[in-house]
Amino acid sequence: GENVEQHPSTLSVQEGDSAVIKCTYSDSASNYFPWYKQELGKGPQLIIDIRSNVGEKKDQRIAVTLNKTAKHFSLHITETQPEDSAVYFCAASEGGGYSTLTFGKGTMLLVSP
Amino acid sequence: DARVTQTPRHKVTEMGQEVTMRCQPILGHNTVFWYRQTMMQGLELLAYFRNRAPLDDSGMPKDRFSAEMPDATLATLKIQPSEPRDSAVYFCASAEYNEQFFGPGTRLTVL
Repeated sequence: GENVEQHPSTLSVQEGDSAVIKCTYSDSASNYFPWYKQELGKGPQLIIDIRSNVGEKKDQRIAVTLNKTAKHFSLHITETQPEDSAVYFCAASEGGGYSTLTFGKGTMLLVSP
Repeated sequence: DARVTQTPRHKVTEMGQEVTMRCQPILGHNTVFWYRQTMMQGLELLAYFRNRAPLDDSGMPKDRFSAEMPDATLATLKIQPSEPRDSAVYFCASAEYNEQFFGPGTRLTVL
């Protein structure tokens, strides 16, 4: 089955800095890679996703890159703000969000004012 | 706005008791997932349904866990008997096409 590794487990940055979270996956059949943000006491919420036919996708301060050959994908957050503080999860799937997702273990991001 | 609802939000019970968690998926979503979240294991898939039919429950301990969808608006996850190692946050998520929408979770503590 699929295995997703996520690094780092914790990340502390100053407000305004950039943050990068990296994930690797094992199953070459995976073709959908979402990123979820989980705030304290809440369920994970999708913030951005990318499919294997695309190398990069941006949405305002958030971007995701995918390297299919190396089987890794990354989340980039620019101009971080205190409200970006949360746990971020990467995931991989063969069939989109409609199918089962295999999650990484999560990265706790702390943005200090 | 449409969202997944879960009840109860918190449950404290004693070992050996039955626990039932309920989920109302977003209206029109035909795929429902149950996940368990712990510090050690992270987010693990327990089971999922499509059009109310179970597709995969290989993540569930079969001897004590059961998941059902009595109708399109209700999914249930039962644990009987519960054990301390079942303490976790249980999430339900629903999907129609691409995005899985998660509920707020049920925090279960088994003493």
